[in-house]
Amino acid sequence: EVVMTQSPATLSVSPGERVALSCRAGQSISNNLAWYQQKPGQAPRLLMWGASTRATGVPARFTGSGSGTDFTLTISGLQPEDSAVYSCQQYNNWPLTFGQGTKVEI
Amino acid sequence: EVQILESGGTLLQPGESLRLACVVSGFTFSNSAMSWVRQAPGKGLEWVAAHSRTVESIHYADSVKGRFTISRDNSKNTLYLEMTNLRVEDTAVYYCARRWPAEEFFDHWGQGTPVTVSS
Repeated sequence: EVVMTQSPATLSVSPGERVALSCRAGQSISNNLAWYQQKPGQAPRLLMWGASTRATGVPARFTGSGSGTDFTLTISGLQPEDSAVYSCQQYNNWPLTFGQGTKVEI
Repeated sequence: EVQILESGGTLLQPGESLRLACVVSGFTFSNSAMSWVRQAPGKGLEWVAAHSRTVESIHYADSVKGRFTISRDNSKNTLYLEMTNLRVEDTAVYYCARRWPAEEFFDHWGQGTPVTVSS
């Protein structure tokens, strides 16, 4: 099983700031990584796939990067509506595995 | 518009069984692979089971293998999760999610149905 480790667990930031969320895979997963955003009481929403391809309707302030084992989701110009938990998921190997999530508080 | 609606969640005791259902609309279900993903209270997401368009490709997480069965009825646009011998650690919100074509990530999710296993 590919273990996905996210850091930090929580980030407290101000509107307009830029943040970088880290996701590390226990072994190489090429670029087979997706990012999701989840707000309280809501289902996850796909943000990014292929490590760096934005899903439909995702604002350009969200940027994904990385390959192999180290990945980053960067949010520039944070908006209040970006308060959420962000989770990464590898889809290179079965079983599919998620990171434990990073909570972004604005 | 894609819609995914889960149902069947409830409160049960350890050892009991339950079947969850996921009814979809707004896309061609028979052409779509689907999965169940769960989230325990205050925890991260955990993939549970996946069903391709046909029965030829079904996968389970080790934590549920032998206890849970994923199935689908394309005539009813419905995905199922049969859960047996439930444990306290199966307590979670269970989400049904549509797989992106040809890749194992999820582009549409339902709102989830809660399952609580407690004595």
